[in-house]
Amino acid sequence: KQEVTQIPAALSVPEGENLVLNCSFTDSAIYNLQWFRQDPGKGLTSLLLIQSSQREQTSGRLNASLDKSSGRSTLYIAASQPGDSATYLCAVPTSGSGNTGKLIFGQGTTLQVKP
Amino acid sequence: NAGVTQTPKFRVLKTGQSMTLLCAQDMNHEYMYWYRQDPGMGLRLIHYSVGEGTTAKGEVPDGYNVSRLKKQNFLLGLESAAPSQTSVYFCASAGNAETQYFGPGTRLLVL
Repeated sequence: KQEVTQIPAALSVPEGENLVLNCSFTDSAIYNLQWFRQDPGKGLTSLLLIQSSQREQTSGRLNASLDKSSGRSTLYIAASQPGDSATYLCAVPTSGSGNTGKLIFGQGTTLQVKP
Repeated sequence: NAGVTQTPKFRVLKTGQSMTLLCAQDMNHEYMYWYRQDPGMGLRLIHYSVGEGTTAKGEVPDGYNVSRLKKQNFLLGLESAAPSQTSVYFCASAGNAETQYFGPGTRLLVL
């Protein structure tokens, strides 16, 4: 059964710092991995989707990498800003989910960027 | 283009009462999902649909029913609410079973 773990659960950094969020998964037979952002009291917003054939994806100051063999993904945030404060979740398709899009989510890392 | 909308935003129920949560999307997506989010448990899939007229169970389906009579709507029903169903409910839709677009959530309190 697929399990997704995100460490640390919470992170506080000063503005301007580069940081890395970690995501690990137990079943490497995934066909993609997604990173989401959730602001307090809001829904989730998709940030990046990495296909299994890709090593990384970039969007602005965000860079996500995927290493299927080791069951790991990282989300790199460059030059962090207070507006980046949110909870970041990673998600992978459930094992054997076929073409249903069912996802298993990690518990998330809550990031606070201090001015 | 409103994306994914959820009705209501907040509701208080007494144990045993019933209610229906409505999810609507205007992106012509085939796939729709209902999740619940609880502290310490993360997001868990309740039910999902891969197209109009289809529904299937997710990870935590007990106590819930769903219907997808129209492609743009996915309804989540609680027939007899229990305090354990106090949660934040999120609906999501996807066009290609990959990137999911989430609604703003419904906060439900069952007393």
